[in-house]
Amino acid sequence: GAVVSQHPSRVICKSGTSVKIECRSLDFQATTMFWYRQFPKKSLMLMATSNEGSKATYEQGVEKDKFLINHASLTLSTLTVTSAHPEDSSFYICSAPGLAGLSGETQYFGPGTRLLVL
Amino acid sequence: GENVEQHPSTLSVQEGDSAVIKCTYSDSASNYFPWYKQELGKRPQLIIDIRSNVGEKKDQRIAVTLNKTAKHFSLHITETQPEDSAVYFCAALNTGTASKLTFGTGTRLQVTL
Repeated sequence: GAVVSQHPSRVICKSGTSVKIECRSLDFQATTMFWYRQFPKKSLMLMATSNEGSKATYEQGVEKDKFLINHASLTLSTLTVTSAHPEDSSFYICSAPGLAGLSGETQYFGPGTRLLVL
Repeated sequence: GENVEQHPSTLSVQEGDSAVIKCTYSDSASNYFPWYKQELGKRPQLIIDIRSNVGEKKDQRIAVTLNKTAKHFSLHITETQPEDSAVYFCAALNTGTASKLTFGTGTRLQVTL
């Protein structure tokens, strides 16, 4: 089946630094990918929709300049947390709709990236 | 936009008993309702889904029901086992729009021996 990978799986960084998280669709192409943030014991909150070849669409309340998204190819989207602060510590998960899921029904989730900002 | 509420937030059942988790949604245009199971530190895994043209769907010990009029849908797990312990999320989607899943707040299910 379709697989989505994320790298790194875990990252610890100092406050003020930037962190890049990669999301790859391994055996299928994804013109759209979704980025979620999940705080401990909370639900997945959609941050933005990453669109290949165009600007990402951000959800209300998500700072575009802080969470930079680049969808450079049909298999790779990156999320960069700029000038990270402790409150950015969270579990970041990406997902991509499968071929039959252009309507969104089939979503393949990445394994997640746990970010800890000290 | 869509808003999905989920209850209860925690649920503890004895092994072998049934568990029911309920969700309500606000957008009558939503037509696809998946349920995900998430273990600690792992990705969500789709366990069952239902489309708006169906009232009930069953897959072994798991079933989902949908009441479009009331905008309710529920997950039923029968004969629960310890490995069913996890966090369960419902979600809603309007497949005709931007394909964005809206998740419920989650239910932490604990199956005790």
